[in-house]
Amino acid sequence: AQSVAQPEDQVNVAEGNPLTVKCTYSVSGNPYLFWYVQYPNRGLQFLLKYITGDNLVKGSYGFEAEFNKSQTSFHLKKPSALVSDSALYFCAVREEGTALIFGKGTTLSVSS
Amino acid sequence: EAEVAQSPRYKITEKSQAVAFWCDPISGHATLYWYRQILGQGPELLVQFQDESVVDDSQLPKDRFSAERLKGVDSTLKIQPAELGDSAMYLCASSPHRGSTDTQYFGPGTRLTVL
Repeated sequence: AQSVAQPEDQVNVAEGNPLTVKCTYSVSGNPYLFWYVQYPNRGLQFLLKYITGDNLVKGSYGFEAEFNKSQTSFHLKKPSALVSDSALYFCAVREEGTALIFGKGTTLSVSS
Repeated sequence: EAEVAQSPRYKITEKSQAVAFWCDPISGHATLYWYRQILGQGPELLVQFQDESVVDDSQLPKDRFSAERLKGVDSTLKIQPAELGDSAMYLCASSPHRGSTDTQYFGPGTRLTVL
């Protein structure tokens, strides 16, 4: 069965510093990987996805993620964090014909 | 920019009462999903519709939960009777097609509190 893990409950970074939010996955076939962000009492907002092709995926608001098949990882990155990036981030994985499975989320806190 | 609409945004009810949530997907989106998100966890799929047909309801507690999408557009999720453990955020999402690579777009959610 497919699964996704976000090993850090919280990530703290200073504004202007690079940020990384980690995600690892387990699937039996080819993974489709997604990142979403959630602000308090709001729904999830799509950031980016990897389906196939280039391992580096660029998304909304300056975020990017790198697909690493050998390490089964799909870490979310941003070169320079903003205070407004503070939110809850979810990684999700799906295989062909299956449901989208979410990680438990990582809270990103960016300090000024 | 088109968005998924949900109502109500907040609902407080007593256990054993019936509650209903409404979702209007992005216009033209064929696939509609209902998720439950318990505090501190990621969303979990309850039911998936393709047009008016249920594609996946394997995780829907069918003894108390029901969902319908009669005309293949908007959808209603019902809980009867509500239990304390049903307190959660209920999220609706839609995607243009049924494909597994499609991006799902989420609504703002309905936060349910069962007393």
